[in-house]
Amino acid sequence: AQSVTQLGSHVSVSEGALVLLRCNYSSSVPPYLFWYVQYPNQGLQLLLKYTSAATLVKGINGFEAEFKKSETSFHLTKPSAHMSDAAEYFCAVTYSSNSGYALNFGKGTSLLVTP
Amino acid sequence: NAGVTQTPKFRVLKTGQSMTLLCAQDMNHEYMYWYRQDPGMGLRLIHYSVGEGTTAKGEVPDGYNVSRLKKQNFLLGLESAAPSQTSVYFCASRIWENTGELFFGEGSRLTVL
Repeated sequence: AQSVTQLGSHVSVSEGALVLLRCNYSSSVPPYLFWYVQYPNQGLQLLLKYTSAATLVKGINGFEAEFKKSETSFHLTKPSAHMSDAAEYFCAVTYSSNSGYALNFGKGTSLLVTP
Repeated sequence: NAGVTQTPKFRVLKTGQSMTLLCAQDMNHEYMYWYRQDPGMGLRLIHYSVGEGTTAKGEVPDGYNVSRLKKQNFLLGLESAAPSQTSVYFCASRIWENTGELFFGEGSRLTVL
């Protein structure tokens, strides 16, 4: 099954600093990759997705991610962190067609933004 | 504009009791999913459905049953709850197209004592 690994369960940045959340995937076929955000006591909300149209994907709230096949990576970045970015972030990949195209999620990275 | 609605949002059960979580979506989506979220584990797929009347097992199906009698509803049942099933449960749905994203409900927090 296709899977993702998120490096770092907790990341802390200062307000205004660069946000970098790491995700590496394992897939035998070209993957479809997603980043979701979860605010406290809420469901998951899509930030962006990669479906092979373009390697640099722009999402909501100023986030973007670059698909790098040579590195099997799909890292999430934002140039300048805001306090409101504090949340849990999940990278995900489509399992496969025989799992109803469900998403296989990484374990998540908790982003803390300090003043 | 409800999207995906889960009921109940909170529930406390005693070991051995049964209950059903209801998921309803108003987006006419073909695919529906049940996940559980536990600290440090991410989200794990319990069961899924690719259409009305069909269900299939996911990664962690033991102790759960599901039904999809109507396209808009996906029920998750616990026949005999165990403390290991204490978790936050999320329902999600998506269109048939394989690059489509999942739309999530707000979750149902279940505690089994």
